[in-house]
Amino acid sequence: EIVMTQSPATLSVSPGERATLSCRASQSVGGNLAWYQQKPGQAPRLLIYGSSTRASGIPARFSGSGSGTEFTLTISSLQSEDFAVYYCQQYDNWLPTFGGGTKVEIK
Amino acid sequence: QVQLQESGPGLVKPSETLSLTCTVSSGSIGTYYWSWIRQSPGKGLEWIGYVYYSGSTDYNPSLKSRVTIALATSKNQFSLRLTSVTTADTAVYYCARGGGYVVFDYWGQGTPVTVSS
Repeated sequence: EIVMTQSPATLSVSPGERATLSCRASQSVGGNLAWYQQKPGQAPRLLIYGSSTRASGIPARFSGSGSGTEFTLTISSLQSEDFAVYYCQQYDNWLPTFGGGTKVEIK
Repeated sequence: QVQLQESGPGLVKPSETLSLTCTVSSGSIGTYYWSWIRQSPGKGLEWIGYVYYSGSTDYNPSLKSRVTIALATSKNQFSLRLTSVTTADTAVYYCARGGGYVVFDYWGQGTPVTVSS
């Protein structure tokens, strides 16, 4: 099983500022990495797949990068609706696994 | 826009069987993978397994001995059965499109299931 580790667990950011979230895989997953956003009481929503491709309808302020074992999700200018929990997920292996999440909270 | 909706009991007794159904609307089962995923405070997001449109399945090894996922194509539904449940199976259960080396691009709203006597 590929273990996904996200950091930090909590990120305090002011609206309008940049947020940078990290995700590390226990072994290479190539570019087969996705990011999801989850708000309270809602299902996760796909933001990014293929490490850097935005899903349909996702604003350009969300960007992803990385390959192999190190990945980053950047939110260029946080809006009020962006405060949520973010998860990374690898789908390079037949057993998909998720990171523990990073909570982005208002500073 | 594909929509998924979970349905089933919200309370299951220990040692009994958890059964959920996911109905796919505004789209067909098509040539996709369909998965069940659960989320609990203790274990985060955990993939349970998938069923492919052909009917083939694959399961998380941690649950494989207790899980069955099946397709009902004519009804545009797929189902989850989890036997011999314990309190550790208490979670929000989601159905989603994806799995099998494919991202989860559509999710149901989730249904909470509590295992308690």
